[in-house]
Amino acid sequence: GAGVSQSPSNKVTEKGKDVELRCDPISGHTALYWYRQRLGQGLEFLIYFQGNSAPDKSGLPSDRFSAERTGESVSTLTIQRTQQEDSAVYLCASSPGPQQGGYTFGSGTRLTVV
Amino acid sequence: GQQVMQIPQYQHVQEGEDFTTYCNSSTTLSNIQWYKQRPGGHPVFLIQLVKSGEVKKQKRLTFQFGEAKKNSSLHITATQTTDVGTYFCAGLDLNTGNQFYFGTGTSLTVIP
Repeated sequence: GAGVSQSPSNKVTEKGKDVELRCDPISGHTALYWYRQRLGQGLEFLIYFQGNSAPDKSGLPSDRFSAERTGESVSTLTIQRTQQEDSAVYLCASSPGPQQGGYTFGSGTRLTVV
Repeated sequence: GQQVMQIPQYQHVQEGEDFTTYCNSSTTLSNIQWYKQRPGGHPVFLIQLVKSGEVKKQKRLTFQFGEAKKNSSLHITATQTTDVGTYFCAGLDLNTGNQFYFGTGTSLTVIP
């Protein structure tokens, strides 16, 4: 597609439920990144994919967080047993390669855990 | 781990005044990028700097990469209300990984 697409744009879930966030990167972009942004805060790195492998998972906050990527396409970020502190905007970005060009961000998924 | 700090955290300026945000890294960077995030929006890529001492301009915006490649600055001349937003730098240190680490951001408010 023309840009990075994320769905859903908004998600309200009850504490303890699992959620799945989806990211569709720009076609041909091999690198894909997930960030978390709490209200009024900076971007917290979560995980980076090169193709369908994840060379760096160091930012995942706990074992409740996992992510996968199918080929060089869609990625899903799964949060199990959501907690209130998981409430944030989850941003996905893609780039042509790991060090190539700027990141193109999607509009994000705003997750609210009640 | 790599840390990228920005100062100031917040800046309020009168329209027409200049604005500068500074980015400092704990490690030597390979590249540095700058992004702008409008209120309620997502970060948008502005520019990438690669060479030591590099200076690039985009209209009223001037970007500079330090000689030691550990700091960078973004200067806006004669701010306009359209400049409102949060400006993030993002540094790449190939010794620590293949992804850019984002700075803490500077939130700019322009008072008309």
